[in-house]
Amino acid sequence: NAGVTQTPKFQVLKTGQSMTLQCAQDMNHNSMYWYRQDPGMGLRLIYYSASEGTTDKGEVPNGYNVSRLNKREFSLRLESAAPSQTSVYFCASSPKYEQYFGPGTRLTVT
Amino acid sequence: DQQVKQNSPSLSVQEGRISILNCDYTNSMFDYFLWYKKYPAEGPTFLISISSIKDKNEDGRFTVFLNKSAKHLSLHIVPSQPGDSAVYFCAAASGGSYIPTFGRGTSLIVHP
Repeated sequence: NAGVTQTPKFQVLKTGQSMTLQCAQDMNHNSMYWYRQDPGMGLRLIYYSASEGTTDKGEVPNGYNVSRLNKREFSLRLESAAPSQTSVYFCASSPKYEQYFGPGTRLTVT
Repeated sequence: DQQVKQNSPSLSVQEGRISILNCDYTNSMFDYFLWYKKYPAEGPTFLISISSIKDKNEDGRFTVFLNKSAKHLSLHIVPSQPGDSAVYFCAAASGGSYIPTFGRGTSLIVHP
């Protein structure tokens, strides 16, 4: 059981470039989430997917898009990266309340 | 406007003593509360939870207390160990929605 996996672990982008963060879970969870963590700000929800085929905005969705490709995979896309999107991104999945997190992607936008 | 507040950014404790991490919330609709632990360069991991129908939940060295009237919960770690040094996040969710709101975290350092 790998749990929640994320790729890549690290990424450096120039302003205006695009990229997709990949996330997969093997626990058969219905719900999946994308968070960003910034110093002193805790975990802020970007988007979530309550079930395959549905996605909803969280607290900080601007500048991001998501795709729930199937029950296992939930990707996060930055269409035109900005320095304000420099952060650590965590994907999570959950059966109910408890969330299981991936190891994170550290993204730097210059 | 923070609905879940962890007012102490950091806490330092001696090994073997009790660590008490606090969390306050403002939304009276929250009825399920969780604590997560996060080591550097890793994702958060679930630690312990409590439903609003209880006022205490215990798991080994970790106990969470809930005071609904004060909208306050706390995590007690007894005895504290150096391996407990991490950032602890408090989270709260309301009935029917499994989406938690997180606090900003408290960094616990346990000195040997």
